[in-house]
Amino acid sequence: KAGVTQTPRYLIKTRGQQVTLSCSPISGHRSVSWYQQTPGQGLQFLFEYFSETQRNKGNFPGRFSGRQFSNSRSEMNVSTLELGDSALYLCASSQTDRQETQYFGPGTRLLVL
Amino acid sequence: GESVGLHLPTLSVQEGDNSIINCAYSNSASDYFIWYKQESGKGPQFIIDIRSNMDKRQGQRVTVLLNKTVKHLSLQIAATQPGDSAVYFCAETPAYKYIFGTGTRLKVLA
Repeated sequence: KAGVTQTPRYLIKTRGQQVTLSCSPISGHRSVSWYQQTPGQGLQFLFEYFSETQRNKGNFPGRFSGRQFSNSRSEMNVSTLELGDSALYLCASSQTDRQETQYFGPGTRLLVL
Repeated sequence: GESVGLHLPTLSVQEGDNSIINCAYSNSASDYFIWYKQESGKGPQFIIDIRSNMDKRQGQRVTVLLNKTVKHLSLQIAATQPGDSAVYFCAETPAYKYIFGTGTRLKVLA
């Protein structure tokens, strides 16, 4: 099976812009989670989607949002970008929303100038 | 955000030796634990997992030990190889959320 894919892999934006990142989970996986990874804060949970519904949400401002489509693909959006949003954004998928292994994609590296 | 991850501890190990990476988890309600390996420029890669009804699980060259009494998890890598150089994270899962540890950088010395 193909792994989790994320697009784009790299992105440069300026402050105030918005960005949309895409994630395609492993075939058959219905749960998708998003994480932000920075050197100073490590891996931080953004949100989780299962069957098009947001099941869990981390402590991020409302500028961070996401959605999941009927084919389990997911997008996350960040509006009004700030310099501090520069990070590696990781998507992970698992078969269900129960406690089981999440498989990560390669991430999208976002640089905000 | 919900995470820990400030300074990254480093473990340096001679090639061929065994490595032991430790992780203290925070939530006594966590009953599923995972170890991930992250190489530079890549996403975390699953290594091994363990559920709370076990205290030891072995994979290929890796062993995970769980001590629920002191909320401690360890990853043992046998005969460490240069390709094992990476950052290793543990994750705990209380209430269907995944909480990642700080991460430990493993450096394999030739």
